This record gives sequence, structure tokens and C-alpha cells, in this order.
Amino acid sequence: DTAVSQTPKYLVTQMGNDKSIKCEQNLGHDTMYWYKQDSKKFLKIMFSYNNKELIINETVPNRFSPKSPDKAHLNLHINSLELGDSAVYFCASSRGATNEKLFFGSGTQLSVL
Amino acid sequence: DAKTTQPPSMDCAEGRAANLPCNHSTISGNEYVYWYRQIHSQGPQYIIHGLKNNETNEMASLIITEDRKSSTLILPHATLRDTAVYYCIVPKAAGNKLTFGGGTRVLVKP
Repeated sequence: DTAVSQTPKYLVTQMGNDKSIKCEQNLGHDTMYWYKQDSKKFLKIMFSYNNKELIINETVPNRFSPKSPDKAHLNLHINSLELGDSAVYFCASSRGATNEKLFFGSGTQLSVL
Repeated sequence: DAKTTQPPSMDCAEGRAANLPCNHSTISGNEYVYWYRQIHSQGPQYIIHGLKNNETNEMASLIITEDRKSSTLILPHATLRDTAVYYCIVPKAAGNKLTFGGGTRVLVKP
């Protein structure tokens, strides 16, 4: 079983659309994250949830809204998609929110046309 | 996060040890050094982390200098599957907010 799984793996959509990326972890971890990797390959944290509570919220447009229905899931909803949103989005989880190693999913490649 | 400096790239011969340096001269006393790697088209993978003492696991060894201002990740017997970008990260204490810099692109050659 994949520890951190995210769907879909590829997402191609038009500008202005709304889309969601789902993430699930079966590791029993309390903390989950969303990272964005742009075309220059730099990975930047977007959000983090600990026990369903938002603990990290970087400077991200409010078109991006994370939702954590339970500890094992952290979904990312994006409204009014723009060309600049094209990137690879990675979900990750860790046992706790402090000094814990992160386990990453395999990524969702989002292409906005 | 404490700033880290890594060489942008390095080559390594298959079967030989790969020594990856990292400078983190502004590290604070209670901040850990983490190493991750990202193989092409995959998510980052945790390798190892340490605070003061040298650490070893099934993947690699981590050597931290006594003043903690630099460290070296050692892959003892590099294989072709170790070709990846390796990231040295020093997150702020009491936080898991990892900041990935440019990393070192390691190419293992046969």
C-alpha cells in the first residue's frame, strides 16, 4: 500500500476552471502538508495541518483552499485557475509537527492551458 | 530556516562513495540537519537527519562537524539508482517547515 497517495497524478485544465487534488495517508500521522514545485524545480511549502487544524499558511493566493476532513486526508481546492498555477503539487505527512521526517506523495502535475 | 549552501552538481562513479557537502554556518544549537533526495519525477525522499553526533542508517551516513557549521552526507556505495537531487535542510527549531533550496544534482555514472 502506498503510504501517501494523491490523485490525480496528472491534471490538465483550462484557465478559470476550479479543480481539486486529493491526498490520503495511511501512516497514522497527525500532520499533513502541501508543497508546490515550480518549473525551476524549487519546492515551497504552501500549507500544513496538524490534527485537522491549519498550522502553516504561507503567502498563497486565497484561490487555494486546503481542506482536512480528517487526519488522514488533506485536499487542495484551487479556484479560478491561472497559467501560473501550472506546477507539480506534492502532498506530505509526518508523525508530528516538530522535528519529524516527512513522507511525500508522488506528486500531481497540474497543467493550466 | 538556517541558510544552507551546497554545490550545484557532482558526478560519482558507480560503486564508489559519494560525499556530499553542505554548509550551514548560521545553524542554531537546537536545529537539526536533514537530508532529502528527489529522484526524477518522484516526490522527495527522507534520507537521514542529525543534531550533533554522526548518524548512520541503511541509506547513508551523516557527518556533522564539531562546530555544526557544516555536514557531509555519505552514500557508501553509490548505485545508478542514487542519481537524484540531494537537499540539505535546516528547519527552524520546533517546526517542520522545510525549505528546499537548489540542492546538489548527483549523477552516478557506470
